[in-house]
Amino acid sequence: KAGVTQTPRYLIKTRGQQVTLSCSPISGHRSVSWYQQTPGQGLQFLFEYFSETQRNKGNFPGRFSGRQFSNSRSEMNVSTLELGDSALYLCASSLVSGAGSEKLFFGSGTQLSVL
Amino acid sequence: QKEVEQDPGPLSVPEGAIVSLNCTYSNSAFQYFMWYRQYSRKGPELLMYTYSSGNKEDGRFTAQVDKSSKYISLFIRDSQPSDSATYLCAMIKNEKLTFGTGTRLTIIP
Repeated sequence: KAGVTQTPRYLIKTRGQQVTLSCSPISGHRSVSWYQQTPGQGLQFLFEYFSETQRNKGNFPGRFSGRQFSNSRSEMNVSTLELGDSALYLCASSLVSGAGSEKLFFGSGTQLSVL
Repeated sequence: QKEVEQDPGPLSVPEGAIVSLNCTYSNSAFQYFMWYRQYSRKGPELLMYTYSSGNKEDGRFTAQVDKSSKYISLFIRDSQPSDSATYLCAMIKNEKLTFGTGTRLTIIP
C-alpha cells in the first residue's frame, strides 16, 4: 500500500511569489493535516481537512491556506512568500479526523526555500 | 514559553549505550503522549504512544510518563547506528497535536 505522497520534494521561490504544494494521502484516508517544520520552531500545525472541510487550524497568517478534493488529495497554498516561510512542509494522513495520532502517517515533505 | 520543551541536543553516544531522551510540558490538559522518529529527509514516524503515567515497553524502546511532574522520557536500550535520527516528543490536547523541537541523536559505531 502506497504511503503519503508529497510533491514536489524541493522548491525554490523568491519573496512575494506564491506556491502550491500537493499531498496524496494513503488510499482510504480521509483526513489530511499540514505541518511546518523549521529548526528553531520544530513542527507546527497548520490545518487539518476532513471530507473536504477544514476541521482545525493552527496559528498561521491568512497567507497560508489549503483545500481538500473529493478524492482526499489536498493542496496547500502560501501567497506573498516571505523569507521566514522557508521550511519543510509535511503532510500527514489518517483514517479519522482529530488528533488520534497513533493513526497519523507522514509524507517525506516538501522543502521550500524562499530567496 | 513553549508548551512543550525538548532538549535539542545534539546527542552522541557509543553503540550499545542506553539513551535517555526527555521532554517537559506546562499544560496539564495534555492527555496523550507520543514519540516520533525522523530520519534525515523523511517525515516523522510514530514510535511509541501512551496516555497514562508509568512505563510502556516495545522492544528496545521504553516510554515513560510522569504526569505529576509533567515529564516524559524515551529510553533506548542497546542503541544501534540505525537509531541515529531526530526524536520528537508530541502531545495531544483538544484534538491538537503539539510537538517538541526534536533531539538529534547520533549512535557512534
